[in-house]
Amino acid sequence: AQSVAQPEDQVNVAEGNPLTVKCTYSVSGNPYLFWYVQYPNRGLQFLLKYITGDNLVKGSYGFEAEFNKSQTSFHLKKPSALVSDSALYFCAAPSGAGSYQLTFGKGTKLSVIP
Amino acid sequence: KAGVTQTPRYLIKTRGQQVTLSCSPISGHRSVSWYQQTPGQGLQFLFEYFSETQRNKGNFPGRFSGRQFSNSRSEMNVSTLELGDSALYLCASSLALTSYNEQFFGPGTRLTVL
Repeated sequence: AQSVAQPEDQVNVAEGNPLTVKCTYSVSGNPYLFWYVQYPNRGLQFLLKYITGDNLVKGSYGFEAEFNKSQTSFHLKKPSALVSDSALYFCAAPSGAGSYQLTFGKGTKLSVIP
Repeated sequence: KAGVTQTPRYLIKTRGQQVTLSCSPISGHRSVSWYQQTPGQGLQFLFEYFSETQRNKGNFPGRFSGRQFSNSRSEMNVSTLELGDSALYLCASSLALTSYNEQFFGPGTRLTVL
């Protein structure tokens, strides 16, 4: 079974500083990886995905993610954090080759401090 | 395009009752997936429908069921409610032509079982 892990339950960062939210994966074959964000009392919003090609993927709201095959990681990054980025972030991957079912990490709560 | 809509947004039920939740996908999307989100278990996959056929099913008891209509709208039903069924139920739609098509989530239905 394919899985993703988010090693940090919470990340605190000062407004204006760069932020990183970590994700590692255990996927056989070519990994397809996703990042979603959830604001309070809302559903999940798609941020970006990695399919193949460039290891740096650009997404919505100024976010990007770096795919690293040797470290089996797919960390979410943003050069300058905003208070409005405070939310719950989820890394996800299809649960198996060719599967349409997503397996999610536990989520990382990002708090951007003014 | 209108996003994924879910009704109702909030529900309060008592143990033993049954409940039906509804999801309308993005126009043109034929895949609808359902997820349960709880603080303890995180996001867990319930089932996925594509063109009225259940393609994938998660590890939930038979009390949880679903269906999809010819217009791609989907319903999920939970019978004989238990306290542990209290959760945010999220619906997601996708083109699902490949397993790397992203899923778009609705705002969720918050179910409280008393």
